[in-house]
Amino acid sequence: EAQVTQNPRYLITVTGKKLTVTCSQNMNHEYMSWYRQDPGLGLRQIYYSMNVEVTDKGDVPEGYKVSRKEKRNFPLILESPSPNQTSLYFCASSSGLSGNTIYFGEGSWLTVV
Amino acid sequence: AQKVTQAQTEISVVEKEDVTLDCVYETRDTTYYLFWYKQPPSGELVFLIRRNSFDEQNEISGRYSWNFQKSTSSFNFTITASQVVDSAVYFCALSPQGGSEKLVFGKGTKLTVNP
Repeated sequence: EAQVTQNPRYLITVTGKKLTVTCSQNMNHEYMSWYRQDPGLGLRQIYYSMNVEVTDKGDVPEGYKVSRKEKRNFPLILESPSPNQTSLYFCASSSGLSGNTIYFGEGSWLTVV
Repeated sequence: AQKVTQAQTEISVVEKEDVTLDCVYETRDTTYYLFWYKQPPSGELVFLIRRNSFDEQNEISGRYSWNFQKSTSSFNFTITASQVVDSAVYFCALSPQGGSEKLVFGKGTKLTVNP
């Protein structure tokens, strides 16, 4: 079954404690992205990757890091989380072919206190 | 720069009413893709439709229909005979190549269907 898997799904953490949200896809997709969703703002892209070792900033990259060492994994790293990073996070993947289906993970609810 | 505007922040209707969710987009690309997603209270994103810029045919899927008008840069979504289960946040989105690498979302419209 085609899947994008995010972990953890729910997390409450404290300011400054490094955390990683993992994202894994089983479809051999080239493209992967991270989005955050905040009330009244919709989904905004944090980072995206067009292939292994190729990553680029989206619209709201501050406070986040990513890596793409393997095609299937695209972890989102919060080196020093702050309360303004409390949000719902989505990982997405798609193939390099134009118009192919975009798959989203189920979302990760992150609260930073 | 690309932009998607959903001017309706919240809409409330009574069951069986028809409702239209507006989506206006901006892009300089000649080729692009438009999407609608549904987000129920459980939080996941449910894909509804994808339309490329060369296909201006309207589409109907059961109670759902979409009106794509390139002349007005709009891609509106209509739910006919709404039901309580249609209550959700609906997002319109735009992508230049159709993939996830540059997907731009509107801010969403929260639809509440009351019994």
